[in-house]
Amino acid sequence: DGGITQSPKYLFRKEGQNVTLSCEQNLNHDAMYWYRQDPGQGLRLIYYSQIVNDFQKGDIAEGYSVSREKKESFPLTVTSAQKNPTAFYLCASSPSFSTDTQYFGPGTRLTVL
Amino acid sequence: DQQVKQNSPSLSVQEGRISILNCDYTNSMFDYFLWYKKYPAEGPTFLISISSIKDKNEDGRFTVFLNKSAKHLSLHIVPSQPGDSAVYFCAASADAGNNRKLIWGLGTSLAVNP
Repeated sequence: DGGITQSPKYLFRKEGQNVTLSCEQNLNHDAMYWYRQDPGQGLRLIYYSQIVNDFQKGDIAEGYSVSREKKESFPLTVTSAQKNPTAFYLCASSPSFSTDTQYFGPGTRLTVL
Repeated sequence: DQQVKQNSPSLSVQEGRISILNCDYTNSMFDYFLWYKKYPAEGPTFLISISSIKDKNEDGRFTVFLNKSAKHLSLHIVPSQPGDSAVYFCAASADAGNNRKLIWGLGTSLAVNP
């Protein structure tokens, strides 16, 4: 049963703490993406990875970091430098970076208290 | 500067009638357009797409129309069902070398009333 999993569904952290959001896919996709969605907003790209051991900044990368050590995993760390981290975070993947259709995970709702 | 615009934040239609969701874009280099459907607290799911070489693509109850001269596309849902109630996002991409990032609209919330 192929797909993208994100865990946990809901995450609470204290201000000033780093937190890592998990994203795993078993679709054998090369490209993976992290988006952020805020109320009334569209999806904004944080980071993307075209292939293992490669990643690039998206439109709002400040305060975030990623790694892509394995094809199936693309974890996102929300650092204490992110000014407004409370949001809904979505991970997506596509067969390759030149493939337009992206497939999304269920999302993680991060609340920083 | 919003390159993909969904000017209607919300739309309400009666069950069984047609839902028409609109999307305008400003970048004439966009050559591929996608519609995604999103329920609250879930990830978007791909619905339908269209290449710029076409003006219509149909999949069951869903049809997307593209008017390149007007830089406008629309998603038609016929007949609308209560389960279609969700936020619909329009997205577009352009061929810029190896860079084909999706540019997203802000979404239109569709409510289908029984």
